[in-house]
Amino acid sequence: EPEVTQTPSHQVTQMGQEVILRCVPISNHLYFYWYRQILGQKVEFLVSFYNNEISEKSEIFDDQFSVERPDGSNFTLKIRSTKLEDSAMYFCASKNGGGRQETQYFGPGTRLLVL
Amino acid sequence: AQSVTQLDSHVSVSEGTPVLLRCNYSSSYSPSLFWYVQHPNKGLQLLLKYTSAATLVKGINGFEAEFKKSETSFHLTKPSAHMSDAAEYFCVVSDPNSGYALNFGKGTSLLVTP
Repeated sequence: EPEVTQTPSHQVTQMGQEVILRCVPISNHLYFYWYRQILGQKVEFLVSFYNNEISEKSEIFDDQFSVERPDGSNFTLKIRSTKLEDSAMYFCASKNGGGRQETQYFGPGTRLLVL
Repeated sequence: AQSVTQLDSHVSVSEGTPVLLRCNYSSSYSPSLFWYVQHPNKGLQLLLKYTSAATLVKGINGFEAEFKKSETSFHLTKPSAHMSDAAEYFCVVSDPNSGYALNFGKGTSLLVTP
């Protein structure tokens, strides 16, 4: 069964460093998402991406964040200058269609720790 | 805005007994509701979803949920818990105001004891 994959599974970085989190969505999916979950808090939406551009973003997704689909398979989240409060589990998701009832399929997550 | 509230942060049941995980939603119109499960070190897996076709929704692994508009609830149930059901469960609503991004509840941790 096709699945969303994410690398790395864990990343430790120093405050102020840039990190890139990578995702490989399911191959025929067209809509891509990033979410994050700070320890002890709920999963929060960051950004959605369709047709090679951002379609929606939350207040969390400020200028320090960017997303890219550099080729036909990868979908990346970049944090330019990490802060302590960026420490969280980051989930990538993808879905095939654009409707509200379409299922989003999630990857296993990348746990980011900023020191 | 569409939102969900999970009423219990932790639920503990004995193996073989019924499971009830409670979720209330807030929506100005007919919502799209989901239950996802997260096992340790695994991704979020869809258990079931409500899409207005039927109020009683059956999902994987024997779980089901009933959409009750009068109570604005979408509780998750299972007749008999297995040890393998121990996990974190999330009630989720699709938000049309953000391109159908998902709004998650805070999660309910299910513990199953022998």
